[in-house]
Amino acid sequence: NAGVTQTPKFRILKIGQSMTLQCTQDMNHNYMYWYRQDPGMGLKLIYYSVGAGITDKGEVPNGYNVSRSTTEDFPLRLELAAPSQTSVYFCASSLAGGNTQYFGPGTRLTVL
Amino acid sequence: GDSVTQMEGPVTLSEEAFLTINCTYTATGYPSLFWYVQYPGEGLQLLLKATKADDKGSNKGFEATYRKETTSFHLEKGSVQVSDSAVYFCALSDRAMNRDDKIIFGKGTRLHILP
Repeated sequence: NAGVTQTPKFRILKIGQSMTLQCTQDMNHNYMYWYRQDPGMGLKLIYYSVGAGITDKGEVPNGYNVSRSTTEDFPLRLELAAPSQTSVYFCASSLAGGNTQYFGPGTRLTVL
Repeated sequence: GDSVTQMEGPVTLSEEAFLTINCTYTATGYPSLFWYVQYPGEGLQLLLKATKADDKGSNKGFEATYRKETTSFHLEKGSVQVSDSAVYFCALSDRAMNRDDKIIFGKGTRLHILP
């Protein structure tokens, strides 16, 4: 059982480039989340989804976009990367709201 | 709004010492409370949880009791090991008024255990 998988594990971008962070879960969870964790800091919610076709903004959505076309996948798109987006990005999923969230291993992104 | 406050770290202890990491919360509804742990280079994973007042969550020697009267959910362990070195996050989910779409995390407490 793979749980929540994220790709890539590491990435270096130049300012202005774009990329998509992939997230897939195989637990048939309805809820999925994207967080960023800056060095030495806690988690900040970027976007979340309560089901296929439904997405909502979190605390820090600017500079990011998401889509949820299937239950399994929840990609995060960065447009026009900026140094302020240097962070570790975590995807998580849960069966329903308020339930335990299961986290992926993270993607470490550096924007230079 | 709902919030979680936990003690700032880092917390440094010797092996076999007693551990307490304080966590207090503010919620308008009926929160479930969680402790997550993040080992170096990994994502967060659930350590324990409690869903109603006076419940005690426990796992791997860690315990926390949901105290509604003091709005607290302090994490304790009687004898820590070097392998417990990690960052610990207190969190809540509020079931009132359908506000449980999201989990609210504290800022995390880094724990160092010295051999």
